[in-house]
Amino acid sequence: QTVVTQEPSLSVSPGGTVTLTCGLRTGSVTTSSYASWYQQTPGQAPRTLIYNTNIRSSGVPDRFSGSILGNRAALTITGAQADDESDYFCLLFMGSGIWVFGGGTKLTVL
Amino acid sequence: EVQLVESGGGLVQPGGSLKVSCVGSGLTLSGSAIHWVRQASGKGLEWVGRIRTRNKKFETAYAASVKGRFTISKDDSKNTAYLQMNSLKTEDTAVYYCTRLKEVEQNFDYWGQGTLVTVSS
Repeated sequence: QTVVTQEPSLSVSPGGTVTLTCGLRTGSVTTSSYASWYQQTPGQAPRTLIYNTNIRSSGVPDRFSGSILGNRAALTITGAQADDESDYFCLLFMGSGIWVFGGGTKLTVL
Repeated sequence: EVQLVESGGGLVQPGGSLKVSCVGSGLTLSGSAIHWVRQASGKGLEWVGRIRTRNKKFETAYAASVKGRFTISKDDSKNTAYLQMNSLKTEDTAVYYCTRLKEVEQNFDYWGQGTLVTVSS
């Protein structure tokens, strides 16, 4: 059973805004979940976009932003570009040293 | 260039063992918590486990799917972390990545390029 949930797929128009979310099957995502977000293209290692809920990693464009929306973590892309088409994964800290990835969101820009 | 470099992947039979390594280049692992993440072909990322620093007593933690079969260790003198995998199953077939967690920021700031482990008869 999937403990950390993400939308399996989303689409956005070029220049548009899209929000990907990351939730828990039971309970709420909080700042203590230390949510982070990763972009991955086929055959490549993950690239850290956002860590500790809302801090952009070095070199990441400011069109990427992280937040908590309600009881979920969120990654918002404002002004989407063609090369944002990728897989996106969230990662949450569950306590007791355990971390869990979400199942990933396949983002299409069209 | 600062990077993590994995090695040691390969083909192993079910029930067998394999040890993969993660070396820091331009990055001192003695002050770093190292995590292992894997990805089966066409699937998502799965957190495998982690080891903390000497100051944190090299504490380890593991995903339920590998607990009791996998062991993570570090040799600070060699600037290397290891993932020892025993009792391997076909479902352990994946690319294995190491990544550094900068704990003060909760930031996984460096990732290796991965090493492929294939469990098959």
